[in-house]
Amino acid sequence: SQQGEEDPQALSIQEGENATMNCSYKTSINNLQWYRQNSGRGLVHLILIRSNEREKHSGRLRVTLDTSKKSSSLLITASRAADTASYFCATDSLGSSASKIIFGSGTRLSIRP
Amino acid sequence: NAGVTQTPKFQVLKTGQSMTLQCAQDMNHNSMYWYRQDPGMGLRLIYYSASEGTTDKGEVPNGYNVSRLNKREFSLRLESAAPSQTSVYFCASSEPPSGTNNQPQHFGDGTRLSIL
Repeated sequence: SQQGEEDPQALSIQEGENATMNCSYKTSINNLQWYRQNSGRGLVHLILIRSNEREKHSGRLRVTLDTSKKSSSLLITASRAADTASYFCATDSLGSSASKIIFGSGTRLSIRP
Repeated sequence: NAGVTQTPKFQVLKTGQSMTLQCAQDMNHNSMYWYRQDPGMGLRLIYYSASEGTTDKGEVPNGYNVSRLNKREFSLRLESAAPSQTSVYFCASSEPPSGTNNQPQHFGDGTRLSIL
């Protein structure tokens, strides 16, 4: 069963614009992670936000977490062609083994030149 | 520094054949994982190994077995392949969790497996 669900499923924007992806989850979490997957490659970790954090930045990435709404967003500013990829959120569950995380089905982001 | 290496990259099997997917990591991580990824879906956990000598079932373990051969290597075996096991298989590794906080997982580039 999937804990996190990304929205939208697909997003196409012009290079230079900002891209926003959302993730909703069902049960309380310890932390939430975002990963990127380029076509034909494995996933790459982008950022981890803990349940007691509301916002986190890493370069052009900004992640927010709203535990009251059980949702998170990933903002990529000033998008580039190299940002074309699928983006996944991954959550754990309070009380479960911390080694286990559950991935959403992903947002496919396309950056038009 | 290779990170996580998976072999083979591609494989075609006939129904009923057996196969072992290999995974090795050079980051000295304690925890290792096997996932499958089907079109339009996220990754689903098959098995994981929190540390050398231990393995546990994930979300979709049926039809698979695993072996944590040593700290570096974690293999996935299909004893009798079925068409429903056609998928892309990913291996990952991580440091053990710090309390209740997960550590980032590092992924290989996958094995694309087709079962006819």
